[in-house]
Amino acid sequence: AQSVTQPDIHITVSEGASLELRCNYSYGATPYLFWYVQSPGQGLQLLLKYFSGDTLVQGIKGFEAEFKRSQSSFNLRKPSVHWSDAAEYFCAVGAGTASKLTFGTGTRLQVTL
Amino acid sequence: DTGVSQNPRHKITKRGQNVTFRCDPISEHNRLYWYRQTLGQGPEFLTYFQNEAQLEKSRLLSDRFSAERPKGSFSTLEIQRTEQGDSAMYLCASSLAEGAGTEAFFGQGTRLTVV
Repeated sequence: AQSVTQPDIHITVSEGASLELRCNYSYGATPYLFWYVQSPGQGLQLLLKYFSGDTLVQGIKGFEAEFKRSQSSFNLRKPSVHWSDAAEYFCAVGAGTASKLTFGTGTRLQVTL
Repeated sequence: DTGVSQNPRHKITKRGQNVTFRCDPISEHNRLYWYRQTLGQGPEFLTYFQNEAQLEKSRLLSDRFSAERPKGSFSTLEIQRTEQGDSAMYLCASSLAEGAGTEAFFGQGTRLTVV
């Protein structure tokens, strides 16, 4: 069965600083990989996805992620964080069926001014 | 189309009561998913439909839970004899069928509190 590990429960960064959120997955074949963001009490918004092809994917709000098969990782990055980026971030893997997802436990991002 | 819609947004119920949630997917999406998210955790898959057929159910979906999608459009999730452990956010998502290179779009969820 597939699984996702987000090793950082909580991260605090200063506004304007760079950000990297870690995600490791376990799946035997090429996975579908996603990053979602969730604001308090809200649903999930897709930031970006990897299905195939270029391993560096661009998403919304200036986020990008890189798929590294050798490391089973799909880390999320942003060069300059804005206060509005404070939220919970979830990495997810889709196995077989792209939309049936297994999520990590999330990383809560706090942004200090 | 404004996206996936879930109603109600919040529900407080007494232990032992039955509750029903509704999800209206994006109109052209033929797949519909239910997830449950407890505090501090990521969403966990419960079940999914392709059109009106329920194709998979998680072991998390006990006998007290039932989901329907009678005409392949909206879906309902019913919980009978609610327990305090059922308190969670219930998320609905929809997508096109696999092969279209699509992803799931989520609703804003229904937060259930069992007192």
